[in-house]
Amino acid sequence: DAKTTQPPSMDCAEGRAANLPCNHSTISGNEYVYWYRQIHSQGPQYIIHGLKNNETNEMASLIITEDRKSSTLILPHATLRDTAVYYCIVRPRMGSARQLTFGSGTQLTVLP
Amino acid sequence: DVKVTQSSRYLVKRTGEKVFLECVQDMDHENMFWYRQDPGLGLRLIYFSYDVKMKEKGDIPEGYSVSREKKERFSLILESASTNQTSMYLCASSFRGGQFYEQYFGPGTRLTVT
Repeated sequence: DAKTTQPPSMDCAEGRAANLPCNHSTISGNEYVYWYRQIHSQGPQYIIHGLKNNETNEMASLIITEDRKSSTLILPHATLRDTAVYYCIVRPRMGSARQLTFGSGTQLTVLP
Repeated sequence: DVKVTQSSRYLVKRTGEKVFLECVQDMDHENMFWYRQDPGLGLRLIYFSYDVKMKEKGDIPEGYSVSREKKERFSLILESASTNQTSMYLCASSFRGGQFYEQYFGPGTRLTVT
């Protein structure tokens, strides 16, 4: 499985865009980039995934570099409720590894 | 809106008790999962089910069993609870044919075994 590297923590002002980077330089051609977050004492929440094109949904945008070695999750207008640990993981489309495994993630703190 | 619900948010049980944790999803997902999450150990898969009455062991099935009699419901059973099963238990579900790793989680059950 491709390994991911994320900064341990970031701050963001409320109402501003939060840009969370992830490096996955060993990603292989059939692997997708997935983003999850976990608010304290709650279950993980799926946010978005992508293969090589940029993706957007109601929660966030995902920008993947052309060489696919890194990506950025963008929360366009961060709110206090977006304070959470954000996890970037790389997996093939189907469940060959059978389970989700999260690394250390990035603790995003949205400041008022 | 996608929804996975778990029967309890907090549960306290005694050593040796039989414990049932229930999970229900309303998304018509084929796959359902039970994980436990412990500090420093991350998420660990206990069991998953890819269809009614079908199940597969995850990485840490010992001391647990599961039941899936209906598509929307997946139960985790601790046959004889022990203190090392004190943990946060998370249920998740996903479509079989789509993105296996697009998993939707419930709020979790924090189980304490005394």
